[in-house]
Amino acid sequence: SYVLTQPPSVSVAPGQTARITCGGNNIGSKSVHWYQQKPGQAPVLVVYDDSDRPSGIPERFSGSNSGNTATLTISRVEAGDEADYYCQVWDSSSDPVVFGGGTKLTVL
Amino acid sequence: QVTLRESGPALVKPTQTLTLTCTFSGFSLSTSGMCVSWVRQPPGKALEWLALIDWDDDKYYSTSLKTRLTISKDTSKNQVVLTMTNMDPVDTATYYCARTRGYPGYYFDYWGQGTLVTVSS
Repeated sequence: SYVLTQPPSVSVAPGQTARITCGGNNIGSKSVHWYQQKPGQAPVLVVYDDSDRPSGIPERFSGSNSGNTATLTISRVEAGDEADYYCQVWDSSSDPVVFGGGTKLTVL
Repeated sequence: QVTLRESGPALVKPTQTLTLTCTFSGFSLSTSGMCVSWVRQPPGKALEWLALIDWDDDKYYSTSLKTRLTISKDTSKNQVVLTMTNMDPVDTATYYCARTRGYPGYYFDYWGQGTLVTVSS
C-alpha cells in the first residue's frame, strides 16, 4: 500500500516560516491535501489539490508538490498555528485514502 | 452552511457491532461528485480513513478493515451509516464523518465534531 512519511515534529519561532514535508513514491503525480488539527478539535482542511486554499484559510498557508515530496509552508507563523498537521492523498491502486502519520508543529 | 454530526453509542463491548450515523445538512448526497467518508483517530494517534460512499452509491473501504465495515446512505434523510463488526479494544477511537469531494483526488472539506467510542467489557 502507498505510504506517506511526515516528520514527527517541527519547531519554529513566531514570525518565521515553517515547512512540513510529506514524502511518498512519486507523490508529485498525485493531488495532496493538508489538514490542521488542534487538540480536542476535528481536523480542518487548509490546503487541497497541492496548493489551493479553502475559503477562510489565510494566505500564509501554501503548498507545493513535486517528485517524491510535498510541502506545506506556513509563513509568518503565529502561536495559533500550533497544531498537528496531516497530509493525505487518494491512491487508486491500493487503499483509496492514505494519511501521513502527522507532524506536530510547535511554536517556540 | 454545511454541517455534519456523528451519533452512536459511546461504549460498546468487545465482539459487538458498532453502528454510527452521520446526519448532515447543507448539501445533498444525490449531487454528482458528493461523497461522505468515515475517519477515525485513536487517542493520541494519527487519522485513519475507514470508508467512503459516493453520490452514485459506490463504496470504498480500508483494505485492512473491509471485512468488518459496511457503509450505506439514506439520501432522503441526509444520513450515512457505518457499521463495524467484531469490535475490539484497539478500535477505541474518535470517529469522524466528513464531506468528501474532489474526484478523483478526494479530500475532506467539512468534518463533524467526532464521537468517542470506547470498546471495553
